[in-house]
Amino acid sequence: GDSVTQTEGLVTVTEGLPVKLNCTYQTTYLTIAFFWYVQYLNEAPQVLLKSSTDNKRTEHQGFHATLHKSSSSFHLQKSSAQLSDSALYYCALTYAQGLTFGLGTRVSVFP
Amino acid sequence: EAGVTQSPRYAVLQEGQAVSFWCDPISGHDTLYWYQQPRDQGPQLLVYFRDEAVIDNSQLPSDRFSAVRPKGTNSTLKIQSAKQGDTATYLCASSFWTVSSERLFFGHGTKLSVL
Repeated sequence: GDSVTQTEGLVTVTEGLPVKLNCTYQTTYLTIAFFWYVQYLNEAPQVLLKSSTDNKRTEHQGFHATLHKSSSSFHLQKSSAQLSDSALYYCALTYAQGLTFGLGTRVSVFP
Repeated sequence: EAGVTQSPRYAVLQEGQAVSFWCDPISGHDTLYWYQQPRDQGPQLLVYFRDEAVIDNSQLPSDRFSAVRPKGTNSTLKIQSAKQGDTATYLCASSFWTVSSERLFFGHGTKLSVL
């Protein structure tokens, strides 16, 4: 079956510094879409980024990610973290219906 | 446009008690999902429907969990005899069926604590 791996459970970063969240995956399907979801405290998960095109950079709200099928990765990055970026971030994939989520990475941004 | 609505927001039970969660998806969305999210873990799919039909319930603990969507709109997830291991947030999500990509809209969830 499909699986998504997020290696960091917690990432702490100082405001203004860059942040990177790792995401790798395993799937047997060719036609798939990838997402980063963000979940703020006491809120529902919401889509941050989506991609299904190999080697194409996707950007939203200062975050960016590039799908690399050659390395089965879809890492999330931001050049300057903000206090408001503190949240849970989930990498997820789908090939038909429903999403397979990673365990999530909690990002804590400190002043 | 109204989002996905879930109720109740919180539930606290003793082991062995039953509980039902209710979900009202975004109007017009034909696909509805129930996810279980244990504390500090990612959401895990339990069951999903297209219209009133169950498409996949392979991850639903069938001996105690059940889910219905009788008219293809609202849905109810029921736990017959709750266990402490059921403590989690139960998320409902909805979407339009597409083949190539999937964007889910989530409700705020029901946070269940089983004592």
